[in-house]
Amino acid sequence: GESVGLHLPTLSVQEGDNSIINCAYSNSASDYFIWYKQESGKGPQFIIDIRSNMDKRQGQRVTVLLNKTVKHLSLQIAATQPGDSAVYFCAENRAAGNKLTFGGGTRVLVKP
Amino acid sequence: DSGVTQTPKHLITATGQRVTLRCSPRSGDLSVYWYQQSLDQGLQFLIQYYNGEERAKGNILERFSAQQFPDLHSELNLSSLELGDSALYFCASSVASGSATGELFFGEGSRLTVL
Repeated sequence: GESVGLHLPTLSVQEGDNSIINCAYSNSASDYFIWYKQESGKGPQFIIDIRSNMDKRQGQRVTVLLNKTVKHLSLQIAATQPGDSAVYFCAENRAAGNKLTFGGGTRVLVKP
Repeated sequence: DSGVTQTPKHLITATGQRVTLRCSPRSGDLSVYWYQQSLDQGLQFLIQYYNGEERAKGNILERFSAQQFPDLHSELNLSSLELGDSALYFCASSVASGSATGELFFGEGSRLTVL
């Protein structure tokens, strides 16, 4: 399931540090913005979502920020762990029916 | 484990051939989605079925077709295969069909290699 071959931007982070992954979106009409994590050999896994009328939402060790003014979405991971190494995709839910549109992905490498 | 099962995990075939990929959604999920993950285009939505009926269509080629059966499993048929069809094909499922949070449960994918 890895995004092998994609020219993904890569974020290298030291274990224990915080990670910030950024995403720009294009459609102001999206209802939800979602972050997915894809580990090597696996399918994407839902992390957290945020509704378009919110600015911030927190989960377990993760926080998603939405800036509608500049159409920017970010995912913050606190105290990054080796298990956080993966490709992270942002996605927009643009229409009824969960027709998600995925962004290009960011590879996160956690250094011990 | 997402609860979504895809078979086969790997498939190697030749150009011009036809293959069928199979997906069993999570128990209780009525919606099935197919996505293609290729080297240069990331995750692309292909098609969605809800309770046996086509609900939404993405950038799915005419050579590709899908269906969802009464037991809710789905098949994606790829015909007249070309080299560029080599990709990972993911199936995902969700309970509902309407606008929701966007939480889909993905299988582990079927890796198709066309030689």
